[in-house]
Amino acid sequence: DQQVKQNSPSLSVQEGRISILNCDYTNSMFDYFLWYKKYPAEGPTFLISISSIKDKNEDGRFTVFLNKSAKHLSLHIVPSQPGDSAVYFCAASFGNEKLTFGTGTRLTIIP
Amino acid sequence: KAGVTQTPRYLIKTRGQQVTLSCSPISGHRSVSWYQQTPGQGLQFLFEYFSETQRNKGNFPGRFSGRQFSNSRSEMNVSTLELGDSALYLCASTASGRRGAHGYTFGSGTRLTVV
Repeated sequence: DQQVKQNSPSLSVQEGRISILNCDYTNSMFDYFLWYKKYPAEGPTFLISISSIKDKNEDGRFTVFLNKSAKHLSLHIVPSQPGDSAVYFCAASFGNEKLTFGTGTRLTIIP
Repeated sequence: KAGVTQTPRYLIKTRGQQVTLSCSPISGHRSVSWYQQTPGQGLQFLFEYFSETQRNKGNFPGRFSGRQFSNSRSEMNVSTLELGDSALYLCASTASGRRGAHGYTFGSGTRLTVV
């Protein structure tokens, strides 16, 4: 039962363009959503988060959008840079429950 | 401020053996969670410990167990290893039970290979 889904295993984007990573969830109890970035041989690092009371949160080049009615969130990276090439995981939680992660999307930025 | 430290970084074990992995959380963090990462499966939750008590448990067989010590360091143990246990095992810590604005801080993981 995959409650958090990332349906695109991989994505390639030209340097300087916008990268859009998508995530869908099924559990309407989730009230907090996060994006993590992971390089090979390293643990995931926190990127950006959003509470369910908001529909948008920005941090520099990164913006997360939340559409609660569609149970969908997305991460926008503008402009994309070569260092953004990594695996991106979305995660969700409610209350003090564990973080539930998606399966990840491998983003490749083409110079 | 030191991050989350996992030891060892790499491990090769034979089927049927057992293994113990260690995680030292960030100083002051009392919650430690363990995840298994395999290709195509993302991060699968194993268990969470808070103040030496297991608070949450994922859907893994009883061969997977863990504990937390009074200094918040945590260990996980896998007995009777199977080939399918080959994975990256990640430990994450947070200050309290609440995820907080930044969720977890992860260690670099232990890469376990079962042959």
